[in-house]
Amino acid sequence: QSALTQPASVSGSPGQSITISCTGTSSDIGGYNYVSWYQQHPGKAPKLMIYEVSNRPSGVPDRFSGSKSANTASLTISGLQAEDEADYYCISYTTSSTLFGGGTKLTVL
Amino acid sequence: QVQLQESGPGLVKPSQTLSLTCTVSGGSISSGTYYWNWIRQPAGKGLEWIGRIYTSGSTNYNPSLKSRVTISLDTSKNQFSLRLNSVTAADTAVYYCARLVGGPDDSWGQGTLVTVSS
Repeated sequence: QSALTQPASVSGSPGQSITISCTGTSSDIGGYNYVSWYQQHPGKAPKLMIYEVSNRPSGVPDRFSGSKSANTASLTISGLQAEDEADYYCISYTTSSTLFGGGTKLTVL
Repeated sequence: QVQLQESGPGLVKPSQTLSLTCTVSGGSISSGTYYWNWIRQPAGKGLEWIGRIYTSGSTNYNPSLKSRVTISLDTSKNQFSLRLNSVTAADTAVYYCARLVGGPDDSWGQGTLVTVSS
């Protein structure tokens, strides 16, 4: 059982928007603004898509956005494209631990 | 841009100790305020955090693995290492090392497959 809760799967059609949630507690997501989101394609290392809740590293399309409300962080992908099909993981950083979500498989229909 | 590379045996026998090393290039492992992490991923499953070591040498471990894990730094070689003892088939996974602080410069190695089998 993972420390952070994500839906196992989400799906959407090209051009649509989807949101993936990541629920923790007031001791992790709710207490720190250090939430990252990673994209992982099969057989590849994870790729950073969002850091510090809502910031995009250079090179990540602005179709990807992040937010947080209380103990839940969210990743929204707008204008879905076929190459967005992948697994997505949230990570929360605290002073005593690094917490991972269980991962969400995004299917682009 | 810092780069990380995992190395170690790809096959470990049950009950023995799994030992992996992460070599860091493009930056000093002892400078800055970074956490050096080990993460693993069994085939077809999600990422599991194993533990981390700070540049000062202090460590934090996943409570589910804490009794079997040791992470250490070797600043002279710019490396950090993982030791996981008393392994079973359930420890078969791709093991990643990563520099994670929650910022834009976070970096991961490419991962190395470790199989536990006799």
